[in-house]
Amino acid sequence: EVQLVESGGGLVQPGGSLRLSCAASGFTFSSYSMNWVRQAPGKGLEWVSYISSSSSTIYYADSVKGRFTISRDNAKNSLYLQMNSLRAEDTAVYYCARDDYDSSGYFPYWGQGTLVTVSS
Amino acid sequence: DIQMTQSPSSLSASVGDRVTITCRASQSISSYLNWYQQKPGKAPKLLIYAASSLQSGVPSRFSGSGSGTDFTLTISSLQPEDFATYYCQQSYSTPPTFGQGTRLEIK
Repeated sequence: EVQLVESGGGLVQPGGSLRLSCAASGFTFSSYSMNWVRQAPGKGLEWVSYISSSSSTIYYADSVKGRFTISRDNAKNSLYLQMNSLRAEDTAVYYCARDDYDSSGYFPYWGQGTLVTVSS
Repeated sequence: DIQMTQSPSSLSASVGDRVTITCRASQSISSYLNWYQQKPGKAPKLLIYAASSLQSGVPSRFSGSGSGTDFTLTISSLQPEDFATYYCQQSYSTPPTFGQGTRLEIK
C-alpha cells in the first residue's frame, strides 16, 4: 500500500524558515516524480513544486520561486521542502503527492498533510 | 499559466440526483484533465484522469468527458458520501493548475 506521511509543519514567524519532510513507503520511491501541493485555510488547491525521480528536473510555482527548495533522498525514501523567507500567505496545509507515473502531472496518492502557520 | 474555471462554485442536490460540474480551460489542454474529490480535513482523492478514465476503486457513477477546453464531471446518482468539494486540474503544462472548486451540498 502506498503511504505518504508529511511532517515538520508548525507555527513560524514571518521571515522564518521551516523544513517539511514526506516519508514514502509501499512503492519504489526512486522511480516516481513527486510534488508538493498546498491549500490555504478555506481555499482551493495550489501546486507548489515538482521534482523528477532522479532530481534532474525541478519546477516551482512563481509564488515560491527563490524562497522554497524541493529535494529528495531516494536512499531514505524521503521528499523535502525547505521553506525560507516565509510570509503570511504561505500559511496552508502542505501535501506531498506522487505522480501516477514519472511526470504524469496528476496525483493518485497524497499524504495527510501538515499545517504551516506563518504568524507573529 | 493555464487558468481553470469551474461552474457552478456551489451546488445543492438531493440523494439520487444526477449532477454535472463543468470545467473550462483558458486554452486547449487536449484530454489532460483530472478530477478530484475532497472532504473536509482530508486529502484530495483522484476520481478521473485523462478526462474520462476512472481511477481504480472509484464507483462507476462517476464519469468524465470533454476535450480541448470544455470538460464535465457527472455523478449519475448522488450518494450521501458524494457530498464534498470537487476540483478539476490540468496536467497539460507546468505549472499544473486547479479550478477553484465546486462545493456539492445536500439539499
